[in-house]
Amino acid sequence: GAVVSQHPSWVICKSGTSVKIECRSLDFQATTMFWYRQFPKQSLMLMATSNEGSKATYEQGVEKDKFLINHASLTLSTLTVTSAHPEDSSFYICSARGTGEAQPQHFGDGTRLSIL
Amino acid sequence: GQNIDQPTEMTATEGAIVQINCTYQTSGFNGLFWYQQHAGEAPTFLSYNVLDGLEEKGRFSSFLSRSKGYSYLLLKELQMKDSASYLCAVMDSNYQLIWGAGTKLIIKP
Repeated sequence: GAVVSQHPSWVICKSGTSVKIECRSLDFQATTMFWYRQFPKQSLMLMATSNEGSKATYEQGVEKDKFLINHASLTLSTLTVTSAHPEDSSFYICSARGTGEAQPQHFGDGTRLSIL
Repeated sequence: GQNIDQPTEMTATEGAIVQINCTYQTSGFNGLFWYQQHAGEAPTFLSYNVLDGLEEKGRFSSFLSRSKGYSYLLLKELQMKDSASYLCAVMDSNYQLIWGAGTKLIIKP
């Protein structure tokens, strides 16, 4: 149980393109979903927390207009990187947590984004 | 401030036992999680401790002492596939996860 699907796995695109990443909880309802970014050999960095039906809460230093998050249902959250530039190249990982705050986060497989 | 400390890197031999320590100072405590992350992959959930004591799950065990702000992950009968980073994360009073930087475990034959 507790499977999270993240799509796509890899994206390579030109600078200026907007990229949408989907995160789905397949066998449970995810009240809360999290978006992380991870640079090579570095720690996970939380970008934002989203609750179904409400606006995402962004961490300090993360541009909300750059990284658009939509958590439209209890099983789907999307992250759109708008007008991506080479410095946005990174490993983006989503996680989902079921009902109850003291629950583990279950991670998707991540999306490797490369902006040329 | 909130702080999670764990060793940066450890090396162990195939078939042996290794203990990865984690100490924490957080505003409140609602449990401690251990995750495994292989290079280039997303983390996978290993264990959750909220009460003091040892939780055993196959070859992996996790221990917690809340009074000492201390946990460890114990890996027995090490296999080459256990080479990975092991992340300690504490859930604070706001149910936010505070992540450690991870311990890279290298297994040698």
